[in-house]
Amino acid sequence: VKLVESGGDLVQPGGSLRLSCAASGFTFSDHYMDWVRQAPGEGLEWVGRIRNKANGYTTEYAASVKGRFVISRDDSENSVYLQMNSLKLEDTAVYYCVKSTPSWSDWFDSWGQGTLVTVSS
Amino acid sequence: DIQMTQSPSAMSASVGDRVTITCRASQGISNSLAWFQQKPGKVPERLIYAASSLQSGVPSRFSGSGSGTEFTLTISSLQPEDFATYYCLRHNNYPPTFGQGTKVEIK
Repeated sequence: VKLVESGGDLVQPGGSLRLSCAASGFTFSDHYMDWVRQAPGEGLEWVGRIRNKANGYTTEYAASVKGRFVISRDDSENSVYLQMNSLKLEDTAVYYCVKSTPSWSDWFDSWGQGTLVTVSS
Repeated sequence: DIQMTQSPSAMSASVGDRVTITCRASQGISNSLAWFQQKPGKVPERLIYAASSLQSGVPSRFSGSGSGTEFTLTISSLQPEDFATYYCLRHNNYPPTFGQGTKVEIK
């Protein structure tokens, strides 16, 4: 399993950024994909999830990002995306792409290396 | 949201020690709990899922137990490579939440 994030950058407050995660080594279309973030020196925070086609590609979001962030996926490209809008200082973090199975007992079994998003003026 | 209280927040231990880390949920979560290890500057790795199932490839000195509201991660004999920060994750409903982390340092 390999998950490779990209797109992290320095962005001004109020700006937008799109993160990508390229997956390989497993049947991407079968799995749920999540984003988890970690602010500098802090703990882990779940950002959101996109389910697979069998579950309607439905999404869930943390309250802190709902209405600002959108998760999408392209199964033909084995990729998942995180569109981040109206960015705030507190969105500064390393963003991890994480693989899960549809099983309720099997969350976050593989993680990408992460990509750093810095929100600063 | 269901809150997870992880303890201790930090601890010092010696190689060979038995280490126990606890996570308590503010309400019952069945066995919807996982444990992760994160070494400095590295990516989190799952150790335990479904409260007590050992992730493939993880040494057997790691074990998880508990159900409902109280869960435990035990390292039976601490090794030098085990000095890291450990997080629990409860995922019985949305949003899933992590514990605050336990930093295990060398005594």
